[in-house]
Amino acid sequence: QSALTQPASVSGSPGQSITISCTGTSSDIGAYNYVSWYQQYPGKAPKLMIYGVTNRPSGVSNRFSGSKSGNTASLTISGLQAEDEADYYCSSYTSSSTWVFGGGTKLTVL
Amino acid sequence: EVQLVESGGGLIEPGGSLRLSCAASGFTFTNAWMTWVRQAPGKGLEWVGRVKSKTDGGTIDYAAPVKGRFSISRDDSKNTLYLQMNSLKTEDTAVYYCTKVRTGGFDIWGQGTMVTVSS
Repeated sequence: QSALTQPASVSGSPGQSITISCTGTSSDIGAYNYVSWYQQYPGKAPKLMIYGVTNRPSGVSNRFSGSKSGNTASLTISGLQAEDEADYYCSSYTSSSTWVFGGGTKLTVL
Repeated sequence: EVQLVESGGGLIEPGGSLRLSCAASGFTFTNAWMTWVRQAPGKGLEWVGRVKSKTDGGTIDYAAPVKGRFSISRDDSKNTLYLQMNSLKTEDTAVYYCTKVRTGGFDIWGQGTMVTVSS
């Protein structure tokens, strides 16, 4: 199972919105609504930000939203804040009964 | 408090074996599907394997790079998840996280335990 494809880096200024894409195949993202997104600070464990494509866990800011179209999922962060600077990973369930992660995207807040 | 605490990491020579443990608290472990995820130094996340709850059949699935070498098990009486790693390779060097599966994602993560495979 190949990793999902994410841009290596994205950047934005405070207050702006950014979108991180995550491209898979018809055997993972395209087949299931089991896409999730994780935020990770250096040296820390990942944190679930979005699950089931569009759902936010309790406590996650509503500035974070998820969507999916075909084989591509997206994470949008609106009203960018300095504290959003982190690495972001997408993940999807696959038709092989496994999970696959994206390579990760480093978000820089300018 | 909902918590996962991994232990058992360390330095091991190539070809060796190591068993990681993950102690769960604050949720009903018996009903939970659990996974292991690893992260090599400076690299991204990699899914290692998953065990379903016994009520859901207890099925275990593994990622291709570890299949046949790693084994996941659980002891529901101790609220503990295990990862037995055999025939370790240098490319298995990583921080290993245990996570709890919820529909559509992994909602609880441990702090991770470092495994270094080197001679």
